[in-house]
Amino acid sequence: DAGVIQSPRHEVTEMGQEVTLRCKPISGHNSLFWYRQTMMRGLELLIYFNNNVPIDDSGMPEDRFSAKMPNASFSTLKIQPSEPRDSAVYFCASSFGHSNTEAFFGQGTRLTVV
Amino acid sequence: DAKTTQPPSMDCAEGRAANLPCNHSTISGNEYVYWYRQIHSQGPQYIIHGLKNNETNEMASLIITEDRKSSTLILPHATLRDTAVYYCIVRVLQGAQKLVFGQGTRLTINP
Repeated sequence: DAGVIQSPRHEVTEMGQEVTLRCKPISGHNSLFWYRQTMMRGLELLIYFNNNVPIDDSGMPEDRFSAKMPNASFSTLKIQPSEPRDSAVYFCASSFGHSNTEAFFGQGTRLTVV
Repeated sequence: DAKTTQPPSMDCAEGRAANLPCNHSTISGNEYVYWYRQIHSQGPQYIIHGLKNNETNEMASLIITEDRKSSTLILPHATLRDTAVYYCIVRVLQGAQKLVFGQGTRLTINP
């Protein structure tokens, strides 16, 4: 397996534009997590899904952020409209939810909003 | 709702054992102790987890105190590539559970 795949790896966009980050979890995993990492706030959990259903989105900063998981092999995190303070590295992770032995992380998407 | 406390930074000489402490005094009976690390610019990587017995794998050893209120991650022969931020997390094993990271310990291995 190629692991958790995130795209794009880098994204530079102008303030006000819509940004969509993509994640393909490891096949067979049924839990998926989205994180945001900044120097100031560290690694923050934004939302997590189990069996494609959002379980906890309390970490989503505001209505500009939305996440979907239409099927077991794909998830998106959308920011609309984007703001400079959204600049961060966004990580996606997946695990097999029934055992929770370990979560596997993607390489992240570095987002810069100018 | 920080469940763990770790020192913000530590140093260790290359080739020596690195011992990273973690306090989790409010741990519940069904919560496991997990360790992850994050090497610069990469996603976090799972290291090891345990409930109450000491655990060892190819990466590290985990020592959990008898009262389970603290634990120590041991890297037996640290290398420069072990320089990273190490996160200690407590989490229930079964079911759909969130995975929440604290600030971790920044471990620097010195040549």
